[in-house]
Amino acid sequence: NAGVTQTPKFQVLKTGQSMTLQCAQDMNHEYMSWYRQDPGMGLRLIHYSVGAGITDQGEVPNGYNVSRSTTEDFPLRLLSAAPSQTSVYFCASKRTSDADTQYFGPGTRLTVL
Amino acid sequence: SQKIEQNSEALNIQEGKTATLTCNYTNYSPAYLQWYRQDPGRGPVFLLLIRENEKEKRKERLKVTFDTTLKQSLFHITASQPADSATYLCAPHVGTSYGKLTFGQGTILTVHP
Repeated sequence: NAGVTQTPKFQVLKTGQSMTLQCAQDMNHEYMSWYRQDPGMGLRLIHYSVGAGITDQGEVPNGYNVSRSTTEDFPLRLLSAAPSQTSVYFCASKRTSDADTQYFGPGTRLTVL
Repeated sequence: SQKIEQNSEALNIQEGKTATLTCNYTNYSPAYLQWYRQDPGRGPVFLLLIRENEKEKRKERLKVTFDTTLKQSLFHITASQPADSATYLCAPHVGTSYGKLTFGQGTILTVHP
């Protein structure tokens, strides 16, 4: 199993540009989520999904969009990038059983100029 | 509001000693708490989970305690090695049936030879 994969690994955007961060998992996990990690802030939940067709907002959803058309994929869209969205983004997945381990992807480092 | 604090942003210890990391939470009562390890440039990796009805959990050189009265979890690494150097994150469960987690900001542990 490849686990959780994310592309791209690095990305530089200009303010106002849009882009999609890709996330895929091959473990048949129902629960997937996106976090951003900033120095001194820990991991903050952006959006999550408990299954195909179901998404919900996390702690910091503004400026981001998600959709979940398949169990495997959970892309994160930046609609109009802002410098405040410069961060490292992690995708994670788990089974929907309550206390299950979350598996994280390798992350995408995004810089918005 | 719910708050998680990992005391000591950075912890430096000598090889062979026991490292003790602290995670305090306020304004809620998690049913369980997880600890993750994160190496530079990589996603977090699950280490241990402890439930509210468990006082202590062990895995090899790792030990986690959970004191629901003090609202605190302690994470111990005994006989520490330079390879244990990493950032350690605590993640208390935040009360949904799908196991949504909130992460602390992490403690950077450095084990000196």
